[in-house]
Amino acid sequence: GQNIDQPTEMTATEGAIVQINCTYQTSGFNGLFWYQQHAGEAPTFLSYNVLDGLEEKGRFSSFLSRSKGYSYLLLKELQMKDSASYLCAVMDSNYQLIWGAGTKLIIKP
Amino acid sequence: IAGITQAPTSQILAAGRRMTLRCTQDMRHNAMYWYRQDLGLGLRLIHYSNTAGTTGKGEVPDGYSVSRANTDDFPLTLASAVPSQTSVYFCASSGSGTGELFFGEGSRLTVL
Repeated sequence: GQNIDQPTEMTATEGAIVQINCTYQTSGFNGLFWYQQHAGEAPTFLSYNVLDGLEEKGRFSSFLSRSKGYSYLLLKELQMKDSASYLCAVMDSNYQLIWGAGTKLIIKP
Repeated sequence: IAGITQAPTSQILAAGRRMTLRCTQDMRHNAMYWYRQDLGLGLRLIHYSNTAGTTGKGEVPDGYSVSRANTDDFPLTLASAVPSQTSVYFCASSGSGTGELFFGEGSRLTVL
């Protein structure tokens, strides 16, 4: 079956760096997405990786290793507003998105 | 403001009643999706439409139906609601390219 694994919850300190991991096993691969979802709100797009390597976008970076079925989202200079759930999703060979359950990130002052 | 709109925002419904969740987008996106989100689970695809006039079943289609009469609208109907359909429902759309999804604000449905 298809499976996306990510930690259920993580805690970090304001101003610090946190890495949220995602491992996947899917039928084919056509890209990996990270979305941010604040409590009670809709998910919003953060990043897309289809080739191996690191994509940097401001304080957020996303890494992909297709051979290892692994990705991480790196958040630098954490702010209180970064408290949210982070969703990992993989597009399979049928171009359907398979979603992880999300990682709830708690930022402490 | 361009985007995707869902209605109602929240609804409490008696079991056995029929309910339609509305979804409208003004971005002229071809593909539209309905997901449900439950605590501890990832987003699960209910139905999708790749273009106006076509629809397909997702991972959890039972008890739900959709239609896509035009590009903008993609309503989701629960013919006879059951308590297990209590969830938050998200409508989403995507244009061409990477497949990035744009989500509506969600509809919180409680079936008693």
